[in-house]
Amino acid sequence: EVQLVQSGGGLVQPGGSLRLSCVASGFTFSDHHMDWVRQAPGKGLEWVGRIIKTRQTYTTEYSASVKGRFTISRDDSKKSLYLQMTRLKTEDTAVYYCGKDNWGLGEFWGQGTLVTVSS
Amino acid sequence: DVVMTQSPLSLPVTLGQPASISCRSSQSLLHSDRNTYLTWFHQRPGQSPRRLIYKVSDRDSGVPDRFSGSGSGTYFTLTISRVEAEDVGVYYCLQGTHWPQTFGQGTKVEV
Repeated sequence: EVQLVQSGGGLVQPGGSLRLSCVASGFTFSDHHMDWVRQAPGKGLEWVGRIIKTRQTYTTEYSASVKGRFTISRDDSKKSLYLQMTRLKTEDTAVYYCGKDNWGLGEFWGQGTLVTVSS
Repeated sequence: DVVMTQSPLSLPVTLGQPASISCRSSQSLLHSDRNTYLTWFHQRPGQSPRRLIYKVSDRDSGVPDRFSGSGSGTYFTLTISRVEAEDVGVYYCLQGTHWPQTFGQGTKVEV
């Protein structure tokens, strides 16, 4: 059974940093691209970024709203995906989801973790 | 960015009856690799989204066959052949052909 278990959300002040984690099981983690998607309270879904497996390395892509502030990384030995968020803004308040990519985003999703940016 | 426009935004449905949601993109979603990366998700309140359909019409494992996707180019449709009570919630389309990936606004389906 595929599982993505997230951790690391919480309350942070504007300008602060937070790191989200997503631990995978039930599939060959190293074979798959992975995505982060967020959902502001009462709003729709927004793609945040992804980490793409190429032949010998990984590359990352980000939405314009987070580029330069957020960093996606992974540790295949720990079957873990990370989202390092810095210089957080109030508009970054959202539930953040990690997702397994298979012929596109979101074949499976984590349970989501709430990030609240507020003073 | 590619704009994804869903309609309707609210869809009252009758159990046992068909229902459909449309999604229009501001650019063709045909990729240079000849695939069209149009995806449909369903989200119930308080839950993570669930992927239903990918590449326009391929159904994910475990998704009931009452769900089907169709379309090409810039116009796509999700159809539920006979609505069941568990189908209520919000449906989103997503394009993955062009960077950045973009979602539709969501369509709320309620009985």
